[in-house]
Amino acid sequence: EAQVTQNPRYLITVTGKKLTVTCSQNMNHEYMSWYRQDPGLGLRQIYYSMNVEVTDKGDVPEGYKVSRKEKRNFPLILESPSPNQTSLYFCASSLQYSPVRVEGNEQFFGPGTRLTVL
Amino acid sequence: GQSLEQPSEVTAVEGAIVQINCTYQTSGFYGLSWYQQHDGGAPTFLSYNALDGLEETGRFSSFLSRSDSYGYLLLQELQMKDSASYFCAVPDSNYQLIWGAGTKLIIKP
Repeated sequence: EAQVTQNPRYLITVTGKKLTVTCSQNMNHEYMSWYRQDPGLGLRQIYYSMNVEVTDKGDVPEGYKVSRKEKRNFPLILESPSPNQTSLYFCASSLQYSPVRVEGNEQFFGPGTRLTVL
Repeated sequence: GQSLEQPSEVTAVEGAIVQINCTYQTSGFYGLSWYQQHDGGAPTFLSYNALDGLEETGRFSSFLSRSDSYGYLLLQELQMKDSASYFCAVPDSNYQLIWGAGTKLIIKP
């Protein structure tokens, strides 16, 4: 089954304790992205990756790191989490980034990770 | 900057038709996407309009007018399962997808 998986689904942690949220897709997609979703703000992009070893900042990258060593995996790393990073996080992938093509705009989302930082 | 405006909430009756509007301001425009998100779930792709006009997919249709920087999602024969949040989104030239804040659709029996 074609899917994007994220782990863990729920996480409660304390300020300053490093954590990693994993993301994996089995569709051979080139483009992957991390979003955070907060009430009333929609989805905001944290980081994205056009392909292996190519990553770049989105709108809200502060406090986050990513890596793309393999095509299928795109982990999100919080080196020193703070309470303002409490949010719902989604990983997404698409075949490629192509603004003018529907295949480039159809993003497949993981189930989400609800993170609470105390 | 780039921004998308959509109503925060829309209420409709089961079996009726509802329209969710989205206006956008972007430095360059390629097309408009719509996503659906049920409470507790992940967003799922509904449609993408690159050209002006109406695109129909079953009970859902999406419309775009590039001259008016405006689009809408039309849902017909509303069912209770259509209760969800709906987001419009536009791709930008910096390889990002810019999202509206979402419209919560409430359907009453």
